[in-house]
Amino acid sequence: TQLLEQSPQFLSIQEGENLTVYCNSSSVFSSLQWYRQEPGEGPVLLVTVVTGGEVKKLKRLTFQFGDARKDSSLHITAAQPGDTGLYLCAGETDYKLSFGAGTTVTVRA
Amino acid sequence: KAGVTQTPRYLIKTRGQQVTLSCSPISGHRSVSWYQQTPGQGLQFLFEYFSETQRNKGNFPGRFSGRQFSNSRSEMNVSTLELGDSALYLCASSLRTSPGELFFGEGSRLTVL
Repeated sequence: TQLLEQSPQFLSIQEGENLTVYCNSSSVFSSLQWYRQEPGEGPVLLVTVVTGGEVKKLKRLTFQFGDARKDSSLHITAAQPGDTGLYLCAGETDYKLSFGAGTTVTVRA
Repeated sequence: KAGVTQTPRYLIKTRGQQVTLSCSPISGHRSVSWYQQTPGQGLQFLFEYFSETQRNKGNFPGRFSGRQFSNSRSEMNVSTLELGDSALYLCASSLRTSPGELFFGEGSRLTVL
């Protein structure tokens, strides 16, 4: 059983559309991180959110940490083919990161 | 600066054999974590080493073991391989701060036949 549940599992959209990925848990985390992984490579950190209710923006990507620090969302505006990849959320407790199963995003040109 | 280096990148073993994977962290990083990634289970935490001591351990059987050397390089070993051990094994190094960022290697792809 995954500590963090990500939804949806797969997402295929057309270039220019928006998308949202959700990451939910019943556990409270000291921080939550989002990573993106491309085929043949290891995950790369996109953002870390620490404070409940925190919103961070990274160009077209918006990350939100839930007030209770149990859930998070990633919103991509006007998706581009370069956004294609596996998006992973990870919750931190005691220096240990627990990952969600990931959301595979495909952006079609 | 050089990233996390994992060797070998690909390997094929048969059931019952053992395997050793190596990870060289980013210079200055003393924490090394190992993860198993499979399509069905996602990224599962194996263990973390910091300054040659295991600090955290996931829920894997004793066939999975690891160690860290004084130069922070780490190895993980899987004995008596099973078909279900086929996976991408990822190593990540960090400064072990909180919140911390993990820097991942490209992984070692293990296939057990």
